[in-house]
Amino acid sequence: DAKTTQPPSMDCAEGRAANLPCNHSTISGNEYVYWYRQIHSQGPQYIIHGLKNNETNEMASLIITEDRKSSTLILPHATLRDTAVYYCIVRVGDNYGQNFVFGPGTRLSVLP
Amino acid sequence: KAGVTQTPRYLIKTRGQQVTLSCSPISGHRSVSWYQQTPGQGLQFLFEYFSETQRNKGNFPGRFSGRQFSNSRSEMNVSTLELGDSALYLCASSSLAGVSGELFFGEGSRLTVL
Repeated sequence: DAKTTQPPSMDCAEGRAANLPCNHSTISGNEYVYWYRQIHSQGPQYIIHGLKNNETNEMASLIITEDRKSSTLILPHATLRDTAVYYCIVRVGDNYGQNFVFGPGTRLSVLP
Repeated sequence: KAGVTQTPRYLIKTRGQQVTLSCSPISGHRSVSWYQQTPGQGLQFLFEYFSETQRNKGNFPGRFSGRQFSNSRSEMNVSTLELGDSALYLCASSSLAGVSGELFFGEGSRLTVL
């Protein structure tokens, strides 16, 4: 079973920040938080991941609460092309096994 | 560099037949994993290969099998197809350099079983 809980859907206005929450209250100390997204009819795409500290890359920012029980993915200026299903995954960040457990994710609709 | 390539992109089979899907990972990537995606069950892990050895396996029946070749290319096979095997089959590769955990997915092979 997925270890994360996400809202099934969210809307965001184009140009505004999209804040996608994820609850992972049972996360272990050695588990990372990963975010992927899947645009319709394509394979999932890696966005970002983190352990404790907030992370930022060219696509998004990841804010992890101090107790690590929840996190928020931020798309700073959402565009129509960001419409996708976003998956939050927690797993041990080791080199042994790439078996990610994907939950149902959040369907983000960016509206013009 | 070229991404993950999956062939065929689309195929139609009938119940009882078997199918083989192919995946060419990104050059230099040694880990290949397979996922099944259906509207009802979402994305589910099938198995993962590393250096021609299966390292992890999901909860799928033995009809689902795979292998990896010395050049890291991988194939998965489904025998005695059932209607419920209709799905998008996704392959992902990883370099396993460090602990980034970044999977690179292909576009998938969409299987329809009639």
